[in-house]
Amino acid sequence: EDQVTQSPEALRLQEGESSSLNCSYTVSGLRGLFWYRQDPGKGPEFLFTLYSAGEEKEKERLKATLTKKESFLHITAPKPEDSATYLCAVRVTGNQFYFGTGTSLTVIP
Amino acid sequence: EAQVTQNPRYLITVTGKKLTVTCSQNMNHEYMSWYRQDPGLGLRQIYYSMNVEVTDKGDVPEGYKVSRKEKRNFPLILESPSPNQTSLYFCASSFRTSGSSGANVLTFGAGSRLTVL
Repeated sequence: EDQVTQSPEALRLQEGESSSLNCSYTVSGLRGLFWYRQDPGKGPEFLFTLYSAGEEKEKERLKATLTKKESFLHITAPKPEDSATYLCAVRVTGNQFYFGTGTSLTVIP
Repeated sequence: EAQVTQNPRYLITVTGKKLTVTCSQNMNHEYMSWYRQDPGLGLRQIYYSMNVEVTDKGDVPEGYKVSRKEKRNFPLILESPSPNQTSLYFCASSFRTSGSSGANVLTFGAGSRLTVL
């Protein structure tokens, strides 16, 4: 059964305190791994797409990496405006998407 | 502005009263899909469509219907809503990835919060 698991469920960081969010997946026929950011009361917004093990992508304070079984979203020196829920999703053969339950990040000034 | 528009944003209804949640995108995307988001369960795919007149079941299709008569519209129909369909619903769309037939980066609507009493 295709499954995506994110950890931790919630994370509180001091401003400037770097950390990583984990997304592990068990799927047959991975066609892409996606990271999204979701703010309260809004739809998810796209951050990164990764397609193959070893791939890395960066955007400002965020860096996403991919292995054969998991992905990490590294947050370097976070700011309060980085507070949000971060969602991981995989696209599998047949164009279905499976999402994790998300990591709720709070950055304290 | 490129966007996915859902209506209504909020709806309270009663068990058994048919309702439709509309979804429209202005980006000429081939792929459209519906999700429900529940605490502790995350986003789960209900139905998706790769093109006009082509729809497929996602993970949780029971109790829902969809149609794709036009490329820009993908309405979600609840023929006989029940309280377990109380949820936050999202519509999303995407281009097909170049070089393959697959969906790519999803653009989401703002969500429709549905309560069934």
